[in-house]
Amino acid sequence: ETGVTQSPTHLIKTRGQQVTLRCSSQSGHNTVSWYQQALGQGPQFIFQYYREEENGRGNFPPRFSGLQFPNYSSELNVNALELDDSALYLCASSLDRGHSGNTIYFGEGSWLTVV
Amino acid sequence: EDQVTQSPEALRLQEGESSSLNCSYTVSGLRGLFWYRQDPGKGPEFLFTLYSAGEEKEKERLKATLTKKESFLHITAPKPEDSATYLCAVQGYNFNKFYFGSGTKLNVKP
Repeated sequence: ETGVTQSPTHLIKTRGQQVTLRCSSQSGHNTVSWYQQALGQGPQFIFQYYREEENGRGNFPPRFSGLQFPNYSSELNVNALELDDSALYLCASSLDRGHSGNTIYFGEGSWLTVV
Repeated sequence: EDQVTQSPEALRLQEGESSSLNCSYTVSGLRGLFWYRQDPGKGPEFLFTLYSAGEEKEKERLKATLTKKESFLHITAPKPEDSATYLCAVQGYNFNKFYFGSGTKLNVKP
């Protein structure tokens, strides 16, 4: 049990719609990262938030956006959904942006299907 | 660019048949190499962190080792419950990003 919780666990959206995924970090962790994992692939880094500011971004378009709140919980928003956005979205929490190889702990993920 | 390659993609073992999984990496200054286990439909579960060449970590039937170019996850006398996908990730100087491999899917038959 990592203490990282995500919601919803599964959802189905129609192409063109918008979706919001939520994450509650492990207690004491001030850094949240979001990853997209397509079937049969490893997780791909979307972005990271540290103390409510974006602290790095992977190769994802601007329609992927996020927020981190004062209690360090986080949201991932995806606009104008495309079929290729269908994936498992993982939230990971860590301490201090992952300095010195601090371990990141993952939630169970949110399965998004776009039809 | 930082990169992680895992092999084999899939591995089928008989219960008790020991083997090794490989993770080759290219990174600008290694801060840490991580091994995770992932069960179907679940988030990755942390196993080990290795920081420098020559380091080894053990947990039950698993042992992880690290050189300057690759890491191995050795599985000794595996059991069916060890069946899962094993993911390797590296963290470089760009410490806010973990680069993951595509994983090795391990199937242990009784």
